[in-house]
Amino acid sequence: AQSVTQLGSHVSVSEGALVLLRCNYSSSVPPYLFWYVQYPNQGLQLLLKYTTGATLVKGINGFEAEFKKSETSFHLTKPSAHMSDAAEYFCAVSLSGGYQKVTFGTGTKLQVIP
Amino acid sequence: SQTIHQWPATLVQPVGSPLSLECTVEGTSNPNLYWYRQAAGRGLQLLFYSVGIGQISSEVPQNLSASRPQDRQFILSSKKLLLSDSGFYLCASPSPGRNTIYFGEGSWLTVV
Repeated sequence: AQSVTQLGSHVSVSEGALVLLRCNYSSSVPPYLFWYVQYPNQGLQLLLKYTTGATLVKGINGFEAEFKKSETSFHLTKPSAHMSDAAEYFCAVSLSGGYQKVTFGTGTKLQVIP
Repeated sequence: SQTIHQWPATLVQPVGSPLSLECTVEGTSNPNLYWYRQAAGRGLQLLFYSVGIGQISSEVPQNLSASRPQDRQFILSSKKLLLSDSGFYLCASPSPGRNTIYFGEGSWLTVV
């Protein structure tokens, strides 16, 4: 079984400031981890994913995330927030090698203040 | 890569009316298919998944049902909608070997 916890349903940052969205997971086997973004009135778009190998994963739009097994975390970061980053972000976990189920976090809405 | 199409994109239905949301997949064969619902403040909830024609697994007890009449077609239905069925419904399919999950555009359902 697996689960995902996203800390903070709403996060506000100033334009140009660091973005940090937190995600912790639990999984009985090595997980696959994902971050998805949902812009207003749109579907989900993959930002980045971790499967195996390098623990620092770079995604689109300047985002990156680091898989930390000891902390069971997969936090999403971006050095400098842009107004266009305002959206809802979902962390997700899937058991490695299996795609029967993907478990999503409850989402974090990012507000960027000019 | 595969493409997932959903329709209708938006739907306003009265309580007690039936529902049919359709999802089709292009670019792959024998895909695993999921229906997710995103309700306000609750994130994404897995409703159903299917590993093949006629094979449906339900994750949560509810007022909805799913069917898979063809390999690349997945339908979400209800005989009588409830107010609590309102939400954003997403059809999804993983890409084995590429470690990616593809989503449809989503269907906004408002039950009034």
